[in-house]
Amino acid sequence: QVTLRESGPALVKPTQTLTLTCTFSGFSLSTSGMCVSWIRQPPGKALEWLALIDWDDDKYYSTSLKTRLTISKDTSKNQVVLTMTNMDPVDTATYYCARIRCDSSWYFDYWGQGTLVTVSS
Amino acid sequence: EIVLTQSPATLSLSPGERATLSCRASQSVSSYLAWYQQKPGQAPRLLIYDASNRATGIPARFSGSGSGTDFTLTISSLEPEDFAVYYCQQRSNWPPMYSFGQGTKLEIK
Repeated sequence: QVTLRESGPALVKPTQTLTLTCTFSGFSLSTSGMCVSWIRQPPGKALEWLALIDWDDDKYYSTSLKTRLTISKDTSKNQVVLTMTNMDPVDTATYYCARIRCDSSWYFDYWGQGTLVTVSS
Repeated sequence: EIVLTQSPATLSLSPGERATLSCRASQSVSSYLAWYQQKPGQAPRLLIYDASNRATGIPARFSGSGSGTDFTLTISSLEPEDFAVYYCQQRSNWPPMYSFGQGTKLEIK
């Protein structure tokens, strides 16, 4: 069965760099057609797509945040890492990782439970 | 960037009633549109993809329709567990880029 779990710091200071890890099971990112994405949701607000990485190590980013984001994968560990630089209080949100079947539906079919990141000094 | 506008922001209905939720795109997204359900404290769940295809395990009371810029999610007869927030989401054909609507809260009347 497919599972994903996000991990990382619950609190970061303004200007710091956030590093989040998505650890997954039930599929492999070395399999053709598999992708993992990051999405965030500020408290009480809507979802916002951040980044996507595919099995071939191609990477895609939100236009508005691409200068601050880096997505990478470690296939041997079944992990995807997202870094976001220059954190600000407006970046306070629950951060989710999700799987995408890039060879078929191209939508987020499995999600992690999310991790809340608060940006505050 | 394609903007998705959902209406209404809040929909108050009773169990057993029919719910109709709308999503309008600022430009055509063809049929590349999905619907998600989110309950408090939970991650979103994929309901509908490619405008009208139900995801695995989704009950038949959920249906989606539309293409181009106007889309609808219909819940034929509301069950108590259907009261939640619903988001529409589009993806660009290539490169893959995604955006979400602001959500519709479906609440018990």
